[in-house]
Formats: sequence, C-alpha cells, structure tokens
Amino acid sequence: ILNVEQSPQSLHVQEGDSTNFTCSFPSSNFYALHWYRWETAKSPEALFVMTLNGDEKKKGRISATLNTKEGYSYLYIKGSQPEDSATYLCAPPRGKLIFGQGTELSVKP
Amino acid sequence: EAQVTQNPRYLITVTGKKLTVTCSQNMNHEYMSWYRQDPGLGLRQIYYSMNVEVTDKGDVPEGYKVSRKEKRNFPLILESPSPNQTSLYFCASSQSPRGSYEQYFGPGTRLTVT
Repeated sequence: ILNVEQSPQSLHVQEGDSTNFTCSFPSSNFYALHWYRWETAKSPEALFVMTLNGDEKKKGRISATLNTKEGYSYLYIKGSQPEDSATYLCAPPRGKLIFGQGTELSVKP
Repeated sequence: EAQVTQNPRYLITVTGKKLTVTCSQNMNHEYMSWYRQDPGLGLRQIYYSMNVEVTDKGDVPEGYKVSRKEKRNFPLILESPSPNQTSLYFCASSQSPRGSYEQYFGPGTRLTVT
C-alpha cells in the first residue's frame, strides 16, 4: 500500500499570514503528484498536477514545489484569506490516485 | 460545461434495500472512479474503471458493485446496504489516472443507511 503523508493535519492561521504544508510520498517509481483543494460542502478541485523534479507551479497566491528524489512536495499560500479555508489533498498516481489524509486549513478574519 | 453529475445528492434508506447512485460525465473521459469519504479516513477508492467494460476493485470494494456499459456512465450499486455504508460518496473522472491528468469530481452523494 502506497504511504502518502500530509502534515500538519490541521492548521489555523490569521488572515494575511503566509503558510505552507507538506506532502510526503515514496520517491520510487514516481510519475506525478496531484494537489486538490476541497472546500466544505463542495467536491475536490484540482489545483496542480506536477511531474518534474524541481517543478514549481503557481495559481494566484498558491504555489507548490516538488522534490521527486526525496519524495515530498510543499504547498504555499501567501497572504491567506478566509476563502482559502479548505482541506488540501495531495495524491500521487500509481495506476490510480492514492490520496493523503489532507491538511485542513482554517483562516480567521 | 464540462462536468460530472451524480444522483441523488442525498439519500436516506433502510438496511437491505437495493439502491443505485448514478454518475455521468460529459468529457469523454476513459477513467472513472468511486470514492467514499469518512471522518478521519480521508478519500478511499471503492471501484474504478479504465474504460467501457473494464472495472477493478479499489481499496474498499466490499458491499458495492459497479458497471461500465457506456463511456459516460458509471453507476454504483449497493445490493444490500448496511449502516456501515453510511458515508459521503464521490464519483470522479479523468482522461487517465496515469499521472498528468487531473480528476474531476462530482458534487457528492450523502447516503444514510438506517
């Protein structure tokens, strides 16, 4: 069973704070890494699909980096806003997507 | 509009009464999948399908059946629902699960089995 770990499990920050969290995955047989954003009462939406070691992706205030050799990816949110409150999931595909437990982010105004 | 639809969105039923949750996508995706989400357990895959007439078990297939007779549809069947199948269910589709294609999720079906 592929072990995908995300940390921290939850995070509470104030509006305007910058934050980051980690996804760890086995580095062997790496193919890609997906990040999803999952707001309460909605369905998960894809943020990034990353495939290359050293890859950096950015969407507005959210960015992600990838290290395939050591098996981790960081997700950064600059200047968090209340609308960023969500659970952030990472998932490396291995013939199917294996989801981590997620990091639950709460941004207080 | 590209989308994955699920029906019903909410369902309360009784133990043993067969039910089907439908899933349909309009993106001509080959890959479709069903997940259940339970508190503290994250998203767990129930079944997936690589293409028409090709289905396979995910991590938690017990008590579920699926079929893929058409590319766009992937219904989830509970032949004899039990209370431990009370959960939030998501259908998802993708061009391929093999890396560089994101998954599109349906809106979810909240099932309660009493």
